[in-house]
Amino acid sequence: EAGVTQFPSHSVIEKGQTVTLRCDPISGHDNLYWYRRVMGKEIKFLLHFVKESKQDESGMPNNRFLAERTGGTYSTLKVQPAELEDSGVYFCASSLNPGTEQFFGPGTRLTVL
Amino acid sequence: GENVEQHPSTLSVQEGDSAVIKCTYSDSASNYFPWYKQELGKRPQLIIDIRSNVGEKKDQRIAVTLNKTAKHFSLHITETQPEDSAVYFCAAHLTNFGNEKLTFGTGTRLTIIP
Repeated sequence: EAGVTQFPSHSVIEKGQTVTLRCDPISGHDNLYWYRRVMGKEIKFLLHFVKESKQDESGMPNNRFLAERTGGTYSTLKVQPAELEDSGVYFCASSLNPGTEQFFGPGTRLTVL
Repeated sequence: GENVEQHPSTLSVQEGDSAVIKCTYSDSASNYFPWYKQELGKRPQLIIDIRSNVGEKKDQRIAVTLNKTAKHFSLHITETQPEDSAVYFCAAHLTNFGNEKLTFGTGTRLTIIP
């Protein structure tokens, strides 16, 4: 069974540009989470989808970030326009049920210059 | 909201010795505490977890203890091996009116010295 996959693995963009990250969860996992690790700090929660619905987006830093999960399968996280402080590693995770093991993807390393 | 503190930030241990990583959490409603291991260039992977109705759990060389009264939990690795070198993250899971989130500690970089 394939694990959580993320694309791209790395992205380098200029400040002000737009970047879209993609996450494919484990098949059958209704719960999908986005996290971010900035500059070696903690892995910080961004938002949680249950199927196609945003269950909790309290961790989204500001309105430059937009997450979608149309159809309840894969998810995208768009940053527009990107700022320097958005640099970090963006992780996606999925779980079968809330409160159970979250399986992480390999992350997307975003560098904003 | 929940806040998780993790110590130490770095830890070097002689191969064969034990390693202990400690975390504290702030919200007594947190009910699930996983530990993730992230090897260099790889994804975080769950290595052990504990729920709030249990005080201790063991899996071979790895154990986790939970003290709900003091709101702290610890990871114990015995007979350490070079492949234990990695960054370890503790986390606390809180269910709040249908919202589910993991709050992570800042990570501990464990180095096993051969």
